[in-house]
Amino acid sequence: DAGVTQSPTHLIKTRGQQVTLRCSPKSGHDTVSWYQQALGQGPQFIFQYYEEEERQRGNFPDRFSGHQFPNYSSELNVNALLLGDSALYLCASSPTRFGTEAFFGQGTRLTVV
Amino acid sequence: EDQVTQSPEALRLQEGESSSLNCSYTVSGLRGLFWYRQDPGKGPEFLFTLYSAGEEKEKERLKATLTKKESFLHITAPKPEDSATYLCAVRSGSNYQLIWGAGTKLIIKP
Repeated sequence: DAGVTQSPTHLIKTRGQQVTLRCSPKSGHDTVSWYQQALGQGPQFIFQYYEEEERQRGNFPDRFSGHQFPNYSSELNVNALLLGDSALYLCASSPTRFGTEAFFGQGTRLTVV
Repeated sequence: EDQVTQSPEALRLQEGESSSLNCSYTVSGLRGLFWYRQDPGKGPEFLFTLYSAGEEKEKERLKATLTKKESFLHITAPKPEDSATYLCAVRSGSNYQLIWGAGTKLIIKP
């Protein structure tokens, strides 16, 4: 049983560019959440998708947007990249919106230069 | 405002030296406290979920406990492979998101 998979694993982008990160949830999970983790800090909630809709959003600007597909996979898009967007981006899946455990992928390391 | 504070920031132990990590929380209506382990450059790995004060969970050398204000992760006779950052998170009220502490970096020296 494949767990949560994210792609790509590493990415280098230039300031002002746009990036798309992808996530496939664990089998049987229909809810996907995205988190940003800066070095030495805990993850910060970006948003959660359930039934192809954004159910809750954290304190992130509109430059951060997402999408969930009918097969429950998800994308995170970031426009007009800033140096401060450099971080590990984590995708987590759970079986329901208020699912007990959230299972995480290995993350995408984004570096903005 | 929901808040999670972990202490200490870093902990160095000798192999076999037992200790505890602390997670203090302030939330409006706890719906779960979660412990994760994170290795460098990887995503967090789920360890335990605790829901109510007095609850305890165990897995190998780890034991998690919960009170109304804090949780402890006890590590007994640790081995070098237990070295990692241990993260605590809570879910509260009608929130879907997890609120995280900054983690405790645990280093076990052989």
